[in-house]
Amino acid sequence: SQQGEEDPQALSIQEGENATMNCSYKTSINNLQWYRQNSGRGLVHLILIRSNEREKHSGRLRVTLDTSKKSSSLLITASRAADTASYFCATEGGSEKLVFGKGTKLTVNP
Amino acid sequence: DVKVTQSSRYLVKRTGEKVFLECVQDMDHENMFWYRQDPGLGLRLIYFSYDVKMKEKGDIPEGYSVSREKKERFSLILESASTNQTSMYLCASSFSTSGSYEQYFGPGTRLTVT
Repeated sequence: SQQGEEDPQALSIQEGENATMNCSYKTSINNLQWYRQNSGRGLVHLILIRSNEREKHSGRLRVTLDTSKKSSSLLITASRAADTASYFCATEGGSEKLVFGKGTKLTVNP
Repeated sequence: DVKVTQSSRYLVKRTGEKVFLECVQDMDHENMFWYRQDPGLGLRLIYFSYDVKMKEKGDIPEGYSVSREKKERFSLILESASTNQTSMYLCASSFSTSGSYEQYFGPGTRLTVT
């Protein structure tokens, strides 16, 4: 059962620009997480935001959560070529399982 | 650092073969997961295990089975491989801390069934 849906599916920007990715979900959650996947590799956890939080920062990452709209956004500021990857949101609703979206493919051009 | 390792990065098998994919984690995590990842479909959960010898079906368990005899090891078994099981297989583990279930992933096994 796919819950998170990322938007856009693909995003291409220039180095130094900001990148914003959105995630929508359908049911109530305990927390929402963002992961990054470099081409052909495993996923790496980036940041977790709990349902009672509205915004969280980690380095160049900023995540927001709007539980009334069932949506989240991931902002990467001052992007670098090394940020080129696919980004996934994942929701956790009270069990050990996460439900992942289909991902946004970000390309940062030098 | 948590380390999750998978037995092979690339694997080529023939239709009908029995295939074993192994996953080992070194952080004493209770939970372990097997996903498959296909273009346009994202990650789909095949099976997960929350303790030794315990397992639960995920969203797409058909054609797969799992084994967890030791806490650190979780095996995915394709009983009779078929071409539609050609995919990237990802293993992950997690430990429940303050109700968060951050997952740690292995590098993936790209399986081709011919």
